[in-house]
Amino acid sequence: NAGVTQTPKFRILKIGQSMTLQCAQDMNHNYMYWYRQDPGMGLKLIYYSVGAGITDKGEVPNGYNVSRSTTEDFPLRLELAAPSQTSVYFCASSYGGEVTNNSPLHFGNGTRLTVT
Amino acid sequence: DQQVKQNSPSLSVQEGRISILNCDYTNSMFDYFLWYKKYPAEGPTFLISISSIKDKNEDGRFTVFLNKSAKHLSLHIVPSQPGDSAVYFCAATEYGNKLVFGAGTILRVKS
Repeated sequence: NAGVTQTPKFRILKIGQSMTLQCAQDMNHNYMYWYRQDPGMGLKLIYYSVGAGITDKGEVPNGYNVSRSTTEDFPLRLELAAPSQTSVYFCASSYGGEVTNNSPLHFGNGTRLTVT
Repeated sequence: DQQVKQNSPSLSVQEGRISILNCDYTNSMFDYFLWYKKYPAEGPTFLISISSIKDKNEDGRFTVFLNKSAKHLSLHIVPSQPGDSAVYFCAATEYGNKLVFGAGTILRVKS
């Protein structure tokens, strides 16, 4: 199992450009999440999905969109990139909705995005 | 408004000694706490957790202690090894939903 795979690893965007961060998991997990990590801050939840076709906002959703057409994939879309979106983005998945030691979050290796 | 705080940005410990990482929280409704470990250029990985009905959970060299009255938890690593050098995130959840993370503590174990 590859686990959670994120692409690309790095990206530099100009202000106003758009891009899609890809996330795929091969563990047949129902729940998927997007987090961002800013320097000196904890991971903040952007969007999450409880299954194919269902998505919901997290703590910091503004400026982002998601879709979940399959169980495996959960892409994150930035439509008009802004410097405030410079961050490291982590995708995660879990089997169940309750995060416990039996169903912890599995994270990808992250995408480092710089917007200038 | 940080609900989960890790007030020590970094900690340096000698190999073989104990590492103690601390975490404070403000939301009394949190009922489950987790620690994640992160190496550079990798995603966080689950390390150990504790339910609010317990005050201690042990897994090998790692022990997490929970003091609900003080809204404080700590992660003890004994003995510390150079491979433990990483960023440690404390996280908390209410009814298992939407983890809230602290800012992380960088642990350096010197050999």
